[in-house]
Amino acid sequence: KQEVTQIPAALSVPEGENLVLNCSFTDSAIYNLQWFRQDPGKGLTSLLLIQSSQREQTSGRLNASLDKSSGRSTLYIAASQPGDSATYLCAVKVSSGGGADGLTFGKGTHLIIQP
Amino acid sequence: DAEITQSPRHKITETGRQVTLACHQTWNHNNMFWYRQDLGHGLRLIHYSYGVQDTNKGEVSDGYSVSRSNTEDLPLTLESAASSQTSVYFCASSGTSGRVLYFGPGTRLTVT
Repeated sequence: KQEVTQIPAALSVPEGENLVLNCSFTDSAIYNLQWFRQDPGKGLTSLLLIQSSQREQTSGRLNASLDKSSGRSTLYIAASQPGDSATYLCAVKVSSGGGADGLTFGKGTHLIIQP
Repeated sequence: DAEITQSPRHKITETGRQVTLACHQTWNHNNMFWYRQDLGHGLRLIHYSYGVQDTNKGEVSDGYSVSRSNTEDLPLTLESAASSQTSVYFCASSGTSGRVLYFGPGTRLTVT
């Protein structure tokens, strides 16, 4: 059974720092990996999606990398801002079908950016 | 703009009552899902649908049911609410390619 682990569970850093969030998964036979952001009391918003054939994806100050062989992904946030404070979750998809039957979520990293 | 809406946003009900949570999406997506989110467990899949008249059980489906009569809606019914079903419920959808998953704002359900 696929397991997804996110370390650390919580992180607090001063504004302006570059930071890395980690995601590891036990089964490297994944179809894709997705990073989400969740604000308190809100739903999840997809940030980046990396297909299994890709090594990284970038969107603005965010960069996500994928190393299937080692079962790891990282989310790099450059020049962090207080508005980046949220919980970040990663999820891996093991099947190529259109459904979510193969989507496994980590429990998230709760990020606080101190002004 | 396309979106997913959920109603109600907050619900308090009593043990044993039937409860239905609504989910409506305007993305015209074939795939729709229900998750619950609990501290210590993260997000867990309850039910999902690949299209009209199609429904499938997820990881934690006991005590829940869904029906898909059109593309836009996937209501989630708790047949006889239990305190263990106190949770935050999220509806989500994706296109046929199974790519980006779009989530609704969630429904916080309390069963007393």
